[in-house]
Amino acid sequence: DTAVSQTPKYLVTQMGNDKSIKCEQNLGHDTMYWYKQDSKKFLKIMFSYNNKELIINETVPNRFSPKSPDKAHLNLHINSLELGDSAVYFCASSQSMGEKLFFGSGTQLSVL
Amino acid sequence: AQSVTQLGSHVSVSEGALVLLRCNYSSSVPPYLFWYVQYPNQGLQLLLKYTTGATLVKGINGFEAEFKKSETSFHLTKPSAHMSDAAEYFCAVANYGQNFVFGPGTRLSVLP
Repeated sequence: DTAVSQTPKYLVTQMGNDKSIKCEQNLGHDTMYWYKQDSKKFLKIMFSYNNKELIINETVPNRFSPKSPDKAHLNLHINSLELGDSAVYFCASSQSMGEKLFFGSGTQLSVL
Repeated sequence: AQSVTQLGSHVSVSEGALVLLRCNYSSSVPPYLFWYVQYPNQGLQLLLKYTTGATLVKGINGFEAEFKKSETSFHLTKPSAHMSDAAEYFCAVANYGQNFVFGPGTRLSVLP
């Protein structure tokens, strides 16, 4: 069983569209995250979600919104996609903040 | 605020040679330190971590790292490189209750 799974693996879409990426973890962790990895491999935290507390990186545009239906899921919704949103998005989880992270395999988003 | 620097965005070694990837951090409190590896088109996997205790930490695939507080360093080493070690390596710093801060990554190439 995959510990942290995210879908889809590849997402190609047009500018202006709205899309979602799903993430599920079966580790029983309390905290989930979304990271963005740009073309230079730099990893940037977007959101962390812990016991219904959402911590947002202030540099993330409000077109991005995480939604957590339950502790095991943290989905990422993106409205009005822009060219600059093209990147690889990683979901991750940990038992608590500061504990080791378990990553999904990534979603490569290409905005045309 | 915490930060991580990794000296050398790209390191090349010959197969069988010593691997040394450098990581320096800044943290106002005793840090948790991590090394992650990312193989092409995959998510990040934990290689090793330091939280407390022994400063020489052994990880998977023959890697180890030594926490040196006086030098604020956590360099990653492996005595003998293998072709399968070619990947991107990320150093990260965290504290309990806080988000990870990742370094910019070092791409390791292993030459035959």
